[in-house]
Amino acid sequence: NAGVTQTPKFQVLKTGQSMTLQCAQDMNHEYMSWYRQDPGMGLRLIHYSVGAGITDQGEVPNGYNVSRSTTEDFPLRLLSAAPSQTSVYFCASSLYPSRDGDYEQYFGPGTRLTVT
Amino acid sequence: QQQVKQSPQSLIVQKGGISIINCAYENTAFDYFPWYQQFPGKGPALLIAIRPDVSEKKEGRFTISFNKSAKQFSLHIMDSQPGDSATYFCAASNQGGSEKLVFGKGTKLTVNP
Repeated sequence: NAGVTQTPKFQVLKTGQSMTLQCAQDMNHEYMSWYRQDPGMGLRLIHYSVGAGITDQGEVPNGYNVSRSTTEDFPLRLLSAAPSQTSVYFCASSLYPSRDGDYEQYFGPGTRLTVT
Repeated sequence: QQQVKQSPQSLIVQKGGISIINCAYENTAFDYFPWYQQFPGKGPALLIAIRPDVSEKKEGRFTISFNKSAKQFSLHIMDSQPGDSATYFCAASNQGGSEKLVFGKGTKLTVNP
């Protein structure tokens, strides 16, 4: 298994440009999520999905869109990039959580995005 | 409003020493408390996790201590090694598992040889 893969690894955008960060997993996980990591801020949840066709907002959703057409893929779209979106973005996946067990959330290697 | 407060921001420990990182939470509905380890340039990886029905969980050199009444939990790394040098994040969830995790701001641990 490749686990969770993210592309690209690095990206530089100009203010106002749009782009899509790709995320894919081959573990048949129902749950996928996107986080952003900023220095001294930890990881903050942007959007998440509990299965194909179902998405919901996290803590910092503004400026980002997601869709989940397949179990494997969960792309993150920046519609009009702003300097405040300069960050490292992580995608993660897990089996659907259950109170009966611990379901580890597997993180991808991240995408470092700079918006100038 | 920060739901999970983590301290210290940075920690320097000598090889063989004990590293202790503390977290406090406010939401009493939280029922899953994982710790993640992150090396530079990598994504976080689950280290150890605990649920509030136990007060302590140990895996090798890593132990979580949990105090439900004080709404606090901590990570203890025994016999710390230079290879443990990383950033550690505590987190919490009230969805029964890893869904919608709320993370602390992280602790950068440096273990000197």
